[in-house]
Parts: sequence; C-alpha cells; structure tokens
Amino acid sequence: DGGITQSPKYLFRKEGQNVTLSCEQNLNHDAMYWYRQDPGQGLRLIYYSQIVNDFQKGDIAEGYSVSREKKESFPLTVTSAQKNPTAFYLCASSIGRFSGNTIYFGEGSWLTVV
Amino acid sequence: GENVEQHPSTLSVQEGDSAVIKCTYSDSASNYFPWYKQELGKRPQLIIDIRSNVGEKKDQRIAVTLNKTAKHFSLHITETQPEDSAVYFCAASRSGGTSYGKLTFGQGTILTVHP
Repeated sequence: DGGITQSPKYLFRKEGQNVTLSCEQNLNHDAMYWYRQDPGQGLRLIYYSQIVNDFQKGDIAEGYSVSREKKESFPLTVTSAQKNPTAFYLCASSIGRFSGNTIYFGEGSWLTVV
Repeated sequence: GENVEQHPSTLSVQEGDSAVIKCTYSDSASNYFPWYKQELGKRPQLIIDIRSNVGEKKDQRIAVTLNKTAKHFSLHITETQPEDSAVYFCAASRSGGTSYGKLTFGQGTILTVHP
C-alpha cells in the first residue's frame, strides 16, 4: 500500500476550475484505477488503465479525464463539467489486468468545491 | 454490467459476538470476490478474498463463503473486537474482454462493536 502516492491530500476547487489529482506508484503494477467515494456510499469507478497509453471509462467518467503516459503515473483531471466534484478520490493499482489480482489503494485525496 | 448489493447497511454487535455481512452479485461471469475494511478517513484495505473455484476461505477470525448458484457471498467475523469497527465493502470482478480486474463495489456496511 505504501507504494501508491496521491497528492494533494486536500484540494479546494473554485467554480469553473479544472484541477488535477496526482497518482504515482512504484510497485511496477500494470493496471491503475481511479475511484470516487461519497459519504455513506461505496466506491464508484471513474477510469481505469490496464496498460500504458490505454485507458477505459468506468461507471462515472463524465466530467473527468485521465492520461497514462508512464507506467507509474495515472493523473486524474476533474474538469468544470463535473458539477458535483466534492468527494474522496482514491487511486489504486494491481499487478496485472486479470481478475483476481489484489487491488491496492492510495491514501486518497479530498476535493472540496468552494 | 455488474451490480453488487450489500446488506445490512449498518450492523451493531456486542464485543465477542459474531457479525455477518451479505452481498449478492448479478454477473454470473464474476469470479473474484474481495472484502475491504475502511476506517474513517483512510484507504480501504483488503482483509480477505475468494475465487469462484472455492466455496469457503478462513483467516483467523474472518471467513468468507461463496454460493455461485445463488450468486451471493458473505463475510463472517467471529469473536468481534472494538477494533473491528469500520466500514466493510464487498466487491466483485470478472475475467474477459475489457473488464479484466475491474472491481464493482457494494454500498458498504458500517460495523460497530460495542465493548
């Protein structure tokens, strides 16, 4: 778990502003994921990437964008099109793209709209 | 796509009692079922998982059972302790296509263990 670093831990976004959450892993994992967690709710998948230079939309991709230019990095941009971005964002990774590989989470980033 | 339902949403037990959390899934192709524990403000951490080729798995006070026919799986915690208090999430994933490794989570269960 300590091999996944998210930053910043706390971030405030103004209306109409894009913000980017960083996620870096040194576990040599192929697959990376972004989840959103709202209070009292489960984790919902935003985007995932099974290999460098490739990524797929999850269940709630609207208003978000990602890139996967390097194996160890998977930044998430919350755009102004995301109307309700206040949430806890969790980055995760797994050793490979196959089902059954343990998914490890970073410590999370709290995003608040001000 | 996959849908995972988790019950109950809250569970309160006395220290030493057992706790059971149940999940159902919709996709019969799902074959991996992990359970995560999340303490307030922290990341989810894997506590146990089960694959579809087995029906039960134990790890000390924690066990998970899987019924593939009924498409449900359960987490059992015995001899509960106050430090077991947390939110527990079940999840499911399938192999094949572009869904490799993609987890779908249940809504979570808030477990409170009273001393």
